[in-house]
Amino acid sequence: GESVGLHLPTLSVQEGDNSIINCAYSNSASDYFIWYKQESGKGPQFIIDIRSNMDKRQGQRVTVLLNKTVKHLSLQIAATQPGDSAVYFCAENTPNDYKLSFGAGTTVTVRA
Amino acid sequence: KAGVTQTPRYLIKTRGQQVTLSCSPISGHRSVSWYQQTPGQGLQFLFEYFSETQRNKGNFPGRFSGRQFSNSRSEMNVSTLELGDSALYLCASSLASGGFTYNEQFFGPGTRLTVL
Repeated sequence: GESVGLHLPTLSVQEGDNSIINCAYSNSASDYFIWYKQESGKGPQFIIDIRSNMDKRQGQRVTVLLNKTVKHLSLQIAATQPGDSAVYFCAENTPNDYKLSFGAGTTVTVRA
Repeated sequence: KAGVTQTPRYLIKTRGQQVTLSCSPISGHRSVSWYQQTPGQGLQFLFEYFSETQRNKGNFPGRFSGRQFSNSRSEMNVSTLELGDSALYLCASSLASGGFTYNEQFFGPGTRLTVL
């Protein structure tokens, strides 16, 4: 079977390396997925989103991959910087549900 | 453009009391959502309002209630506070009139509620 990245609650990354954060979502009817970054003392901040009719979307230094077959979402951060240290959440939305369902979150620590 | 504002930022209450939290969305946003964030449960959806109508409600007891005013500002109320209600309460606003797809949710900084 296909290998699916495991969700890890914490991730330690060397500055300059690439980071990969994984998320398994629960609802096969979900059609919209978002990655948020939350720094200490702040609310979640939008990073990138993707709709279910896509399997990849790129932003500035970030890429989101969606695998609907195994209900898996990943966020790739290129050339990780100290400012990327935060908690990262994936969220999913199903049509006309008017809410976001959040994953458990991954704490990313960037080592200098 | 001002972001989502939440007041107060910090609140300390005792068990049995009630509390009201306030959220002012970004100008022009008519959808307001509330979430509870705790270390153990993560981010849990409470309710969503659009044009003063509650469109969705999460799995929380009836002690948790909310409302939205005609200017889109929203309040949530928790009655008969319990120790387990200690959490960060986050408000998010959006332009979403229909679904949420590609309608970014902008979060406020949250209200940190501590129940003693």
